[in-house]
Amino acid sequence: LAKTTQPISMDSYEGQEVNITCSHNNIATNDYITWYQQFPSQGPRFIIQGYKTKVTNEVASLFIPADRKSSTLSLPRVSLSDTAVYYCLVGDIELTGGGNKLTFGTGTQLKVEL
Amino acid sequence: DAGITQSPRHKVTETGTPVTLRCHQTENHRYMYWYRQDPGHGLRLIHYSYGVKDTDKGEVSDGYSVSRSKTEDFLLTLESATSSQTSVYFCASRGLANEKLFFGSGTQLSVL
Repeated sequence: LAKTTQPISMDSYEGQEVNITCSHNNIATNDYITWYQQFPSQGPRFIIQGYKTKVTNEVASLFIPADRKSSTLSLPRVSLSDTAVYYCLVGDIELTGGGNKLTFGTGTQLKVEL
Repeated sequence: DAGITQSPRHKVTETGTPVTLRCHQTENHRYMYWYRQDPGHGLRLIHYSYGVKDTDKGEVSDGYSVSRSKTEDFLLTLESATSSQTSVYFCASRGLANEKLFFGSGTQLSVL
């Protein structure tokens, strides 16, 4: 299972771009990289997912280098409401049957200030 | 959002008593997961299920058991609760070909 490492916390100001990097040195060939956001007293929710190169949706971008040993979640122009914990999850989501463990790291607490 | 509910939302119990937490999903998702969340530890996988009656252990399975008799329900049981099991428990589910995990709102369990 790929172990992930993220910074424990990050601080930013409204309007800035925030980049959160996740290290996953032992990522397997079939593993995908998924990011989740969690607000206090709520369950995490999906932000973005990718396998390689760059993926962009309406809320974030995900950059994955060729060796796939790390990934960077990019949040453009953050606001106060982006204050949350962000989790990087690496796992083989297409694997069927047993062995389908999806384990999270400790996450990154992002704090956005005015 | 997917229909996934956890019950109860809050529970206080005493050491040594059995406790069962329920997760119910209406999405016909094949995979279901139980996580616990504690300060400084993020989300840790307790058990997961890859089909009816098919379950497997996660990172922190000691002291917990699970059952899945129907697609929509995944039960987490603490046979004899201990204070170290005081935590917030989250259930999640996902479909066969769906990459997203959908989480419930969590159960705050306090073992006194």
